[in-house]
Amino acid sequence: GNSVTQMEGPVTLSEEAFLTINCTYTATGYPSLFWYVQYPGEGLQLLLKATKADDKGSNKGFEATYRKETTSFHLEKGSVQVSDSAVYFCALSRDSGAGSYQLTFGKGTKLSVIP
Amino acid sequence: ETGVTQTPRHLVMGMTNKKSLKCEQHLGHNAMYWYKQSAKKPLELMFVYSLEERVENNSVPSRFSPECPNSSHLFLHLHTLQPEDSALYLCASSQETRSGPQHFGDGTRLSIL
Repeated sequence: GNSVTQMEGPVTLSEEAFLTINCTYTATGYPSLFWYVQYPGEGLQLLLKATKADDKGSNKGFEATYRKETTSFHLEKGSVQVSDSAVYFCALSRDSGAGSYQLTFGKGTKLSVIP
Repeated sequence: ETGVTQTPRHLVMGMTNKKSLKCEQHLGHNAMYWYKQSAKKPLELMFVYSLEERVENNSVPSRFSPECPNSSHLFLHLHTLQPEDSALYLCASSQETRSGPQHFGDGTRLSIL
């Protein structure tokens, strides 16, 4: 079946440090891949997505590249800010039949950025 | 404005109470979802509605009863809940495409006494 594996957190970084959160997936077919972010007290927000191999999704300084050969979609940012402190979820879309698609999520990685 | 509005934001109820969670989306989407988010556990998909028809029920206990009267509204009716049902309940909506992202509400924080 489909699954998503993220690196275990929590991750604590100093401001302006480089961020990598690893994500690998197992899926049949050609899923779309997503990163979502959840700030305290809020729901999940789409951060970026990629729909086919070698696509790079980017938003707010974050990037992730769809690597089919390594089944990975690692999230990176060159210089994190305190405001990036949140929980990050990697996800893939899957065909659930009846013409519908659902997301399979990783467990989430909590990021704390300290001044 | 998130586009997906959930009410109430917080709910405390006893195990014998009956209550309902409400979700409304203003994005013109044709699919809606209920998720349960518990501490230290992965996000759990509970129910999926596509064009107002339930297309997925992930072995959710019958004390949770969803209702989707139209493509903009989704309810989760609760009765005789257990303490382990305390969690954040998230609603989401999307267009039904492989690359269509889901848009989430801010959730209802449910506490069972």
